[in-house]
Amino acid sequence: AQSVTQLDSQVPVFEEAPVELRCNYSSSVSVYLFWYVQYPNQGLQLLLKYLSGSTLVKGINGFEAEFNKSQTSFHLRKPSVHISDTAEYFCAVSDQVDSSYKLIFGSGTRLLVRP
Amino acid sequence: NAGVTQTPKFQVLKTGQSMTLQCAQDMNHNSMYWYRQDPGMGLRLIYYSASEGTTDKGEVPNGYNVSRLNKREFSLRLESAAPSQTSVYFCASSDYPGDTEAFFGQGTRLTVV
Repeated sequence: AQSVTQLDSQVPVFEEAPVELRCNYSSSVSVYLFWYVQYPNQGLQLLLKYLSGSTLVKGINGFEAEFNKSQTSFHLRKPSVHISDTAEYFCAVSDQVDSSYKLIFGSGTRLLVRP
Repeated sequence: NAGVTQTPKFQVLKTGQSMTLQCAQDMNHNSMYWYRQDPGMGLRLIYYSASEGTTDKGEVPNGYNVSRLNKREFSLRLESAAPSQTSVYFCASSDYPGDTEAFFGQGTRLTVV
């Protein structure tokens, strides 16, 4: 079964600074990877996803992520963060079980953007 | 756009009481999921339904049951609530499992005392 590791539980950063949120997954023959964002007291919404093709994936709100198969990583980056990016970010992998899939999440990284 | 609707939004139960969390989606999605979210543990899958008429256990199914009532609705039942089930519960749906986006409800905050 797949698993996802987000090593950083909290990442503080100043406004307009770059940020990287780390995500590693357990290896598999093929993998679908996702980043979701959760704003306070809300459900999750999709930031971006990697299915195949280009290893650099661009998402909403200026975020991007790079799929690295050799390092089994899918780190999320933004070159310049805003106060409004303060939220919790979840990396997820789609795990195939027999003929069906289930979405497995990491433990989350809380991004705190300070003025 | 309603998307995924969960009811209730908040609930307080006494230990041993039962309750059902309701979830409905209006996007004609095939797959539906129930997760619980606890501090520092992310979202853990309780049960999922890959398609109408099927349900499967996730990572933490003990103490829960589910029913895929029809294509729109997927309910989660706590037969005898325990304090360890205090959590925020999220329902989600996706068109097909695997490579498609999952859409989430707003969550149900459950406290068991």
